[in-house]
Amino acid sequence: GQQVMQIPQYQHVQEGEDFTTYCNSSTTLSNIQWYKQRPGGHPVFLIQLVKSGEVKKQKRLTFQFGEAKKNSSLHITATQTTDVGTYFCAGLEGNTGKLIFGQGTTLQVKP
Amino acid sequence: DAGITQSPRHKVTETGTPVTLRCHQTENHRYMYWYRQDPGHGLRLIHYSYGVKDTDKGEVSDGYSVSRSKTEDFLLTLESATSSQTSVYFCAISERGDNEQFFGPGTRLTVL
Repeated sequence: GQQVMQIPQYQHVQEGEDFTTYCNSSTTLSNIQWYKQRPGGHPVFLIQLVKSGEVKKQKRLTFQFGEAKKNSSLHITATQTTDVGTYFCAGLEGNTGKLIFGQGTTLQVKP
Repeated sequence: DAGITQSPRHKVTETGTPVTLRCHQTENHRYMYWYRQDPGHGLRLIHYSYGVKDTDKGEVSDGYSVSRSKTEDFLLTLESATSSQTSVYFCAISERGDNEQFFGPGTRLTVL
């Protein structure tokens, strides 16, 4: 079945440093979604990418979808303590509505 | 936050007992999902529903059953709970099958 791998599993950064998490799928994805989960909370939708090579920005966050629609990345510029949490990518399996989640990257930011 | 509630929020039970978790939504969304979250595994889909009485299996459906008799409610049942089903369970909803999902607050289940 479809697998979505996400690296790294953990990342500790100093406040102000940049952060990137990468997501790779074993198959071509219909779309990819990104979620953030704060400690003790539930996943919250950040963004959806649909087109090959698509790049979207949300303030300090930049999301990319690969040309082959099999990989994606989330880059945070100048991290802040409010960025702490676990970031998940999730690939949509065909048209079934099934999202396959990566294992997540947990970001810790030292003030 | 979208109108999604889960009950109970916490439950401790013993191996072999039946357990039912409830997800209730007030958004009238067509799709509803049950996930479990375990360290190192992210979120794994258990079952999902694409309409009243329409359900399908996810990647970790063994030992779980679901029912959806009304648009707003999606029940997850563990017929005979095992320690391997100790986890945090999240319900999610979406309007269509290909767009964003809204998650409930989660249920922490411990099977002793």
